[in-house]
Amino acid sequence: QKEVEQNSGPLSVPEGAIASLNCTYSDRGSQSFFWYRQYSGKSPELIMSIYSNGDKEDGRFTAQLNKASQYVSLLIRDSQPSDSATYLCAVDTGGFKTIFGAGTRLFVKA
Amino acid sequence: DTGVSQNPRHKITKRGQNVTFRCDPISEHNRLYWYRQTLGQGPEFLTYFQNEAQLEKSRLLSDRFSAERPKGSFSTLEIQRTEQGDSAMYLCASSLMAGVQETQYFGPGTRLLVL
Repeated sequence: QKEVEQNSGPLSVPEGAIASLNCTYSDRGSQSFFWYRQYSGKSPELIMSIYSNGDKEDGRFTAQLNKASQYVSLLIRDSQPSDSATYLCAVDTGGFKTIFGAGTRLFVKA
Repeated sequence: DTGVSQNPRHKITKRGQNVTFRCDPISEHNRLYWYRQTLGQGPEFLTYFQNEAQLEKSRLLSDRFSAERPKGSFSTLEIQRTEQGDSAMYLCASSLMAGVQETQYFGPGTRLLVL
C-alpha cells in the first residue's frame, strides 16, 4: 500500500513564527512532491512543488526534500493568521495517481 | 481561480437518485483527474483521462460510478443509485504534462449530500 503520512495536528504557532510541516512517504520510486493549502470548504491550492533533493524557496515558503529518508517538509516563515488552513502533502509515484496525505491543520494565532 | 470549473457547486439528493457532475478543465490541459474527499481526509483518486481516453480507475470506483470525457474537453462524473456513503466533495483537477513534471490544478469542487 503506497502511503503518504502527515501529522494531523492541529499545529498552533504564534503570528510571525516559523511553522514546520512534515510528511513521509513509503514509495521510494516517487518522483514529484507537492504541498497544497486547503481552506475549510474550499479546494486544494498548489503552494509548492519539488522534484530534487534539497531546498526550494518561494517567498515565505520553503520546501525541503530528502529522498533517502523519504521525507518532505514545508516551512512557512513569518506565519500570518491567513496561513491558517490544512496543508496537504501529495506524492506522484510516477504512475497516474497522485497520493495525498490526510493533511495537517495549522492555526496561526494573532 | 485556477481556471478549472465545476458544476454544480452543491448537490443535495435523495438516496437512490442519479447525479451527474461536470468539470471544465483548463483548455490546453490534456490530463483530467477526478478525486473524492471526505471530512478530515486528503483527496482520494477516482479516475484519470488522457485526452478522451480513460486510462485508470480506482478500485474505489464501484459500478455505480461512470466518467466520460468526450472529445477530450469537459468531463462528466455520474453516480447512479446514490448511497449516503457517497456524500463527499468531488474534485476535478487538470494538468499539462511537461517532460517528467506535472502539476495538477483543482477546480472548486462539487459538494454532494445524499439524504
